[in-house]
Amino acid sequence: DQQVKQNSPSLSVQEGRISILNCDYTNSMFDYFLWYKKYPAEGPTFLISISSIKDKNEDGRFTVFLNKSAKHLSLHIVPSQPGDSAVYFCAASSSSSGNTPLVFGKGTRLSVIA
Amino acid sequence: DAGITQSPRHKVTETGTPVTLRCHQTENHRYMYWYRQDPGHGLRLIHYSYGVKDTDKGEVSDGYSVSRSKTEDFLLTLESATSSQTSVYFCAISEVHVNSPLHFGNGTRLTVT
Repeated sequence: DQQVKQNSPSLSVQEGRISILNCDYTNSMFDYFLWYKKYPAEGPTFLISISSIKDKNEDGRFTVFLNKSAKHLSLHIVPSQPGDSAVYFCAASSSSSGNTPLVFGKGTRLSVIA
Repeated sequence: DAGITQSPRHKVTETGTPVTLRCHQTENHRYMYWYRQDPGHGLRLIHYSYGVKDTDKGEVSDGYSVSRSKTEDFLLTLESATSSQTSVYFCAISEVHVNSPLHFGNGTRLTVT
């Protein structure tokens, strides 16, 4: 059973507009969430994270929002740039479940069109 | 790349042959992980290590074994490769096990014919 779900396999956005990538999770024990970006032929790179004690974390053009009651998080990229075109993975972990490492979603491919 | 080197970067092998992938880190991080990435499945954990000679299974561990005899090296072995193990394999490291990002290597693309 998938614990972290990214229901949109792909997303296309015009350059300069906002990109919103969504992620849902089922495990209520998750308390730490991350977004990774992946370019072809490279490993995933860490983008931004958020702890469950917060509902928003911002880093430059990237903002992650967490809605614990809905078990939903989203990544906003403003403004979107062509270099943002990549696959984005959502991931989650629980600090209370011992040795459980990060669980990843299936990814969303973002295309930013110039 | 956070000081992570995966070797080889590409490998083609035949069904039934043994294959070993190597992950080498220069960060002295305690935790090391092997994930595989497949279309439609995202990143799935194969095995991980929480110290020298300390390893545990992940979500998709069947058909794989690992070894960690030194802090810096984590080996993934396919004892008898199958076509279903054609994938891109990523090694990752982290200083702490929870509430901390993983840092990934650039991957090994393995094709089993």
